[in-house]
Amino acid sequence: AQSVTQLDSHVSVSEGTPVLLRCNYSSSYSPSLFWYVQHPNKGLQLLLKYTSAATLVKGINGFEAEFKKSETSFHLTKPSAHMSDAAEYFCVVSDRGRNAGNMLTFGGGTRLMVKP
Amino acid sequence: GAVVSQHPSRVICKSGTSVKIECRSLDFQATTMFWYRQFPKQSLMLMATSNEGSKATYEQGVEKDKFLINHASLTLSTLTVTSAHPEDSSFYICSARDDRSYGYTFGSGTRLTVV
Repeated sequence: AQSVTQLDSHVSVSEGTPVLLRCNYSSSYSPSLFWYVQHPNKGLQLLLKYTSAATLVKGINGFEAEFKKSETSFHLTKPSAHMSDAAEYFCVVSDRGRNAGNMLTFGGGTRLMVKP
Repeated sequence: GAVVSQHPSRVICKSGTSVKIECRSLDFQATTMFWYRQFPKQSLMLMATSNEGSKATYEQGVEKDKFLINHASLTLSTLTVTSAHPEDSSFYICSARDDRSYGYTFGSGTRLTVV
């Protein structure tokens, strides 16, 4: 079984300051981990993904995330927030066991607000 | 990159009518597609897994007779909300899994409003 916990439902930062969105997961097998962003009334856009290569993953728009197996975490960070980063962010896990490409399990989401 | 087209983006229908939502993978084949429902300010809830050429697999609590899924080709899955009621109003999102890369691509969503 797999699950994802996003520790903060809302995060508010000032423009130009760092962003940290926290995610912890549990998985029976070696997981694939993803971060998606969703703007209002839009679909989901993939920011980055971890699939067992480098533990520090760089994504689009300056975001990156570090896979820490010992902490079962995959926190999303960005050095400097931009107003356009305001959106909903989802941490997602997929088991990569015997059945490659299993279904995705979503975290509850974190709403990022960016103040001018 | 991989693109999934979901149509329509918005639809308003009267209670009792049916609405069909299409999910199409434009540049890859997808034997498996997924349909999600998202309530306001909540995460995505998987409704069903759509498999080309076979019956869909529905999650517990999802009425298969109400949410009809057809996956007739490797690039198209449809979700039909039958006899819609106001409580069916929601944001529906599809996802297609690339048969070669196993990567997931999401559609842009459909805002359904039943009046």
